[in-house]
Amino acid sequence: AQSVTQLGSHVSVSEGALVLLRCNYSSSVPPYLFWYVQYPNQGLQLLLKYTTGATLVKGINGFEAEFKKSETSFHLTKPSAHMSDAAEYFCAVSSPTSGTYKYIFGTGTRLKVLA
Amino acid sequence: EAGVTQFPSHSVIEKGQTVTLRCDPISGHDNLYWYRRVMGKEIKFLLHFVKESKQDESGMPNNRFLAERTGGTYSTLKVQPAELEDSGVYFCASSQVQVTSGTQYFGPGTRLTVL
Repeated sequence: AQSVTQLGSHVSVSEGALVLLRCNYSSSVPPYLFWYVQYPNQGLQLLLKYTTGATLVKGINGFEAEFKKSETSFHLTKPSAHMSDAAEYFCAVSSPTSGTYKYIFGTGTRLKVLA
Repeated sequence: EAGVTQFPSHSVIEKGQTVTLRCDPISGHDNLYWYRRVMGKEIKFLLHFVKESKQDESGMPNNRFLAERTGGTYSTLKVQPAELEDSGVYFCASSQVQVTSGTQYFGPGTRLTVL
C-alpha cells in the first residue's frame, strides 16, 4: 500500500528565506509524485510533478522538488519566500500500475510567510 | 479551456436530509475522481470513473453515498441520508491519462456542513 507523510502541519518562514516542505512516501512500485497548492477559497493547483526521468523537477512560481529514491523523499523547496506563497501545500503519490492513478495525499502543510 | 467546476460551493443541511453534489470535468477528460477532506485530516479518495463506468469505488464510506456519471460527462455524488460525520470538503478532479501521465485537475470543492 502507498502512503505519504508530510512533516510539519504548519511551517513559518520569513519573507526572502528558504522554503522547505518535507514529503516522504512509501510505495512498493515506482511512484508518480505530485505537489499541489491550495490558496484560500480556491481549489488545488498543480505545482509540479515527477513521473520519470530527471529527478529534479521545476514547477510554477519558482518551486522545485527532488525525487530521492534512496530516501523515499520528494521535498519541495523555493529559494526565497514571497508573501504570496502563503497557502496550504499537499504532497500526493499515485501508482502508474494501479490502473486508476488515484492519489494518496499527505495531511498537508500550511505555510505562513512572515514580513 | 474551462477547468473543473463544482456545484454548489457550499451546502448546509440537517442530519437526515439528502444532498447532491455536482462535478463537471474538463471537456474530453475520461477520468473523473471524487475525494473528500474531513477537517484536520488528509484528502481521501472516494471513487474513480472512466467515462460512465466506476473503475474503483473502494473509498466510498458506506451505502449512503451514491455516485453517478451520466453519459460519461458530468458526475453527481448523492448523500442520503446525511450524517454529521459526512461534513467536509468534497473535491472532484479529472484527467486524461494518456496525455497527462495521470495528472489530475481539481475543482474548487464543495464544502458540506451537516448540522
